[in-house]
Amino acid sequence: SQQGEEDPQALSIQEGENATMNCSYKTSINNLQWYRQNSGRGLVHLILIRSNEREKHSGRLRVTLDTSKKSSSLLITASRAADTASYFCATGGGADGLTFGKGTHLIIQP
Amino acid sequence: KAGVTQTPRYLIKTRGQQVTLSCSPISGHRSVSWYQQTPGQGLQFLFEYFSETQRNKGNFPGRFSGRQFSNSRSEMNVSTLELGDSALYLCASSLETSVWDTQYFGPGTRLTVL
Repeated sequence: SQQGEEDPQALSIQEGENATMNCSYKTSINNLQWYRQNSGRGLVHLILIRSNEREKHSGRLRVTLDTSKKSSSLLITASRAADTASYFCATGGGADGLTFGKGTHLIIQP
Repeated sequence: KAGVTQTPRYLIKTRGQQVTLSCSPISGHRSVSWYQQTPGQGLQFLFEYFSETQRNKGNFPGRFSGRQFSNSRSEMNVSTLELGDSALYLCASSLETSVWDTQYFGPGTRLTVL
């Protein structure tokens, strides 16, 4: 079953703009992770935020976590064409390994 | 270090056949997980192996099985293939002991069942 749900399902922005994706989940978690996937290839880990953390940064990425609302957001600043990909949130904490949402497909227009 | 490798990268089979997929984790990683990705169901956890033992299992029928060898390499097997088994099968390895920790994914094996 899908634990995380990303929103929006698709997002198209101009290069240089910021992109924000949201993730909601249903049960308690140990951590929440964001991954990127380019065109049906393997997933690349972007960032992991633990349940006792509220915000984390990595380069142009900023992730927030609100456990009271069971939600997280991923912000990509100053987007580039190479950021075009699908982005997935994944929650850890259950017996089913990482549970992934269906992803947000991000398109960066040149 | 070399990344996670999966072989073969592409596979075409017919219904009723069986298939074996292989995964070599990053050197030093002892946890190997398998995921199935389809357009309809998204990414779904199949199972996880740690030190040659299946430690976690997703909600898949018994036709899906796996094993891990002493060098941490892993294989998954699907018997009696069905059309719905067509998917991208992803293997991931982890340095840590928890299946929830950062996963390093391979490029996947794209299986098509005709």
